Amino acid sequence: QKEVEQNSGPLSVPEGAIASLNCTYSDRGSQSFFWYRQYSGKSPEFIMFIYSNGDKEDGRFTAQLNKASQYVSLLIRDSQPSDSATYLCALRAGGYNKLIFGAGTRLAVHP
Amino acid sequence: DGGITQSPKYLFRKEGQNVTLSCEQNLNHDAMYWYRQDPGQGLRLIYYSQIVNDFQKGDIAEGYSVSREKKESFPLTVTSAQKNPTAFYLCASSLSPTSGATNEQFFGPGTRLTVL
Repeated sequence: QKEVEQNSGPLSVPEGAIASLNCTYSDRGSQSFFWYRQYSGKSPEFIMFIYSNGDKEDGRFTAQLNKASQYVSLLIRDSQPSDSATYLCALRAGGYNKLIFGAGTRLAVHP
Repeated sequence: DGGITQSPKYLFRKEGQNVTLSCEQNLNHDAMYWYRQDPGQGLRLIYYSQIVNDFQKGDIAEGYSVSREKKESFPLTVTSAQKNPTAFYLCASSLSPTSGATNEQFFGPGTRLTVL
């Protein structure tokens, strides 16, 4: 079993809708989770992190963490075509800030 | 402007050659990392360094080598021992894990390596 699992997509949503991206993980001891966005051919850009159960909001983005069920989600409100990208979920493993990445979910926002 | 630079953007290597990828940061970060990304896959950690003159192997270090002689620089050498080096190579940096900060990693623009 992979440590971080993401549906590869593509997830297709209409402009203005809420996009919901999900990530599950296998290590119950994982504490911190990160979301990155990666446009085609470019490097990942940091979106936000979460380490407490519940929701964390940052602008149009909301991260949700449920440690009991071992999943973390990213909601994007009012999706725009410019949000079309691959979204990478990562968790921190170990004391040296090692990140383990999922393969990413491709999001397509259509006008 | 603060940031991470990688060079070259594209690199072509012949079989049996060693090549070195450059990574420089002016964010005053202590920690630096090298990842490899293959199509449809997540990033995989090659090497990381928490402090100058110290570095550790990541999950896929075989066929790669690094040095950390300066805080700002963390070059990666892809040796001829790496059997399938064609990939997108990403360098990242972060504050030290002991700093008490979030320690999110910031990425450079990447180097795309192709073996001819």
